[in-house]
Amino acid sequence: DQQVKQNSPSLSVQEGRISILNCDYTNSMFDYFLWYKKYPAEGPTFLISISSIKDKNEDGRFTVFLNKSAKHLSLHIVPSQPGDSAVYFCAASESGATNKLIFGTGTLLAVQP
Amino acid sequence: DAGVIQSPRHEVTEMGQEVTLRCKPISGHDYLFWYRQTMMRGLELLIYFNNNVPIDDSGMPEDRFSAKMPNASFSTLKIQPSEPRDSAVYFCASRPSRGPLTQYFGPGTRLLVL
Repeated sequence: DQQVKQNSPSLSVQEGRISILNCDYTNSMFDYFLWYKKYPAEGPTFLISISSIKDKNEDGRFTVFLNKSAKHLSLHIVPSQPGDSAVYFCAASESGATNKLIFGTGTLLAVQP
Repeated sequence: DAGVIQSPRHEVTEMGQEVTLRCKPISGHDYLFWYRQTMMRGLELLIYFNNNVPIDDSGMPEDRFSAKMPNASFSTLKIQPSEPRDSAVYFCASRPSRGPLTQYFGPGTRLLVL
């Protein structure tokens, strides 16, 4: 049973436009969420995180939104750049198990020049 | 600063053989994690250590899998005997005790069991 779901396996956007990647979760005990980016033949690299006490966190071109009532988070990339093309994973953890990150299956983002 | 180092980067072996994957965490990081990535199940936590002590191995799929951390700068994940369904990418990650919960991943070992 997938506790963290990324229902879109892939997404294609034009350079300069907004990329929106979505993630849903089922465990109401999750209170910390992260996004990782992964290039081929490399390990995932941390991108941005958000605690459940917030509903938005911004870092440069990247913004994560959290809707706790809907158990939904999204990652916005504005403006999208070809170098953003990668697989994006969302991950979640509970306060009592902060080291057990539960990952989604990933979304492949392709930014077209 | 060097990141998490994993070796080998690629491993091809035959069913029944022993496989040993190696990891050197980032210096000063007290937590070390082993993950497995497959197409079917995505990225799954297998086991993690704190200060060289295994804390949670509930993700280890079978007794064929074992992990050790003899010191703060080295860990191994061993599969004996290996099976074709063990083919996957295995990642090691580490993080410090204090600060954000961000885990830093190594480049992974791509394992193919024939």
